[in-house]
Amino acid sequence: GAVVSQHPSWVICKSGTSVKIECRSLDFQATTMFWYRQFPKQSLMLMATSNEGSKATYEQGVEKDKFLINHASLTLSTLTVTSAHPEDSSFYICSAIRTSASYEQYFGPGTRLTVT
Amino acid sequence: TQLLEQSPQFLSIQEGENLTVYCNSSSVFSSLQWYRQEPGEGPVLLVTVVTGGEVKKLKRLTFQFGDARKDSSLHITAAQPGDTGLYLCAGAGGSGGSNYKLTFGKGTLLTVNP
Repeated sequence: GAVVSQHPSWVICKSGTSVKIECRSLDFQATTMFWYRQFPKQSLMLMATSNEGSKATYEQGVEKDKFLINHASLTLSTLTVTSAHPEDSSFYICSAIRTSASYEQYFGPGTRLTVT
Repeated sequence: TQLLEQSPQFLSIQEGENLTVYCNSSSVFSSLQWYRQEPGEGPVLLVTVVTGGEVKKLKRLTFQFGDARKDSSLHITAAQPGDTGLYLCAGAGGSGGSNYKLTFGKGTLLTVNP
């Protein structure tokens, strides 16, 4: 199989603090990972594409200085929400593909972020 | 902008009924994937369709990719409460985009009542 994990599964933080979310591919190497955001009962919104060893590509409207992405290895990508505000509260999901030619993305279980 | 129109957005049916979810676009996709997501969890891949006209079956679920690779449907026969969830279609490689970047539909929230 292709298992993707996320940590933490949920986090509560105070406004103004930063939060780091980890995404790991457990049984395969992921050259590319994706970060999505999802609001209740809505679809996934792509935030950025993360490639190992290079800068992430952000979607239009996503602040790269606020959502810092680091893909330091073939099995780990991190998303840091800096200076979090209540409007950043959401469900953050990562996904990974094995190679750049693969159509199939394998999703992590998501991280529920609540900013108070 | 690549768009995938998914319908219906909400569907509430009784156990045993059949249903169809549609996913339509003006763009041609290299492939189309269907996912099912339960509350508080990540989406789980159900199927990938690649060839125009392709039909794939997964137990009571039948997936079809349109001949022109612009649309797809998911048909569930004799729905069960365990089928409840958010169904998402996602297209890859539309309008000259990369094959691995997905465009998601808005999702269909299915509730199957016992």
